[in-house]
Amino acid sequence: TQLLEQSPQFLSIQEGENLTVYCNSSSVFSSLQWYRQEPGEGPVLLVTVVTGGEVKKLKRLTFQFGDARKDSSLHITAAQTGDTGLYLCAFGGALNFGKGTSLLVTP
Amino acid sequence: EPEVTQTPSHQVTQMGQEVILRCVPISNHLYFYWYRQILGQKVEFLVSFYNNEISEKSEIFDDQFSVERPDGSNFTLKIRSTKLEDSAMYFCASSDTGGETQYFGPGTRLLVL
Repeated sequence: TQLLEQSPQFLSIQEGENLTVYCNSSSVFSSLQWYRQEPGEGPVLLVTVVTGGEVKKLKRLTFQFGDARKDSSLHITAAQTGDTGLYLCAFGGALNFGKGTSLLVTP
Repeated sequence: EPEVTQTPSHQVTQMGQEVILRCVPISNHLYFYWYRQILGQKVEFLVSFYNNEISEKSEIFDDQFSVERPDGSNFTLKIRSTKLEDSAMYFCASSDTGGETQYFGPGTRLLVL
């Protein structure tokens, strides 16, 4: 069974700081998705990474897919309070989610 | 921007009762999914549906669960006889390609008493 390990589990930072969260597995993926989920709402797709070594940017968010396509990272530059949420990585058509990184950005 | 909608937003039911959760997927999408999230746990896949039939289901999706596309717009999840452990957020999702890019609804919070 392929499993996604996300780290850290929780992260609390102040506005303006940078952060990186990770999604790791021992398996190779054809693609990986990153979602953000706010309390009481459904996951919202942020990005899909497909190619090993690929880097995608979404405003202050930078997503990287590992060269071997086994891991991915999400880097947020100059975090804002609106970035607060649960960041999930997932793979597969029947999406298999990690447990997520819960991010809290305080003023 | 098109979005997936779900009704009701909250449902409280007694154990043993039947519930039907409703979803309206994005209009040009052909692939539909149900997921659930028990409080404090990760989002879990239940079932996928394409061309009027189930294409894949998880171990969670046992005989108590069924899905239906009763018309051209709705997609429903029925739980025949609810159990306490069915209490969770249930999310519907849809996709135009059947791949990993899926768009989620806001969820229905089900509480079984």
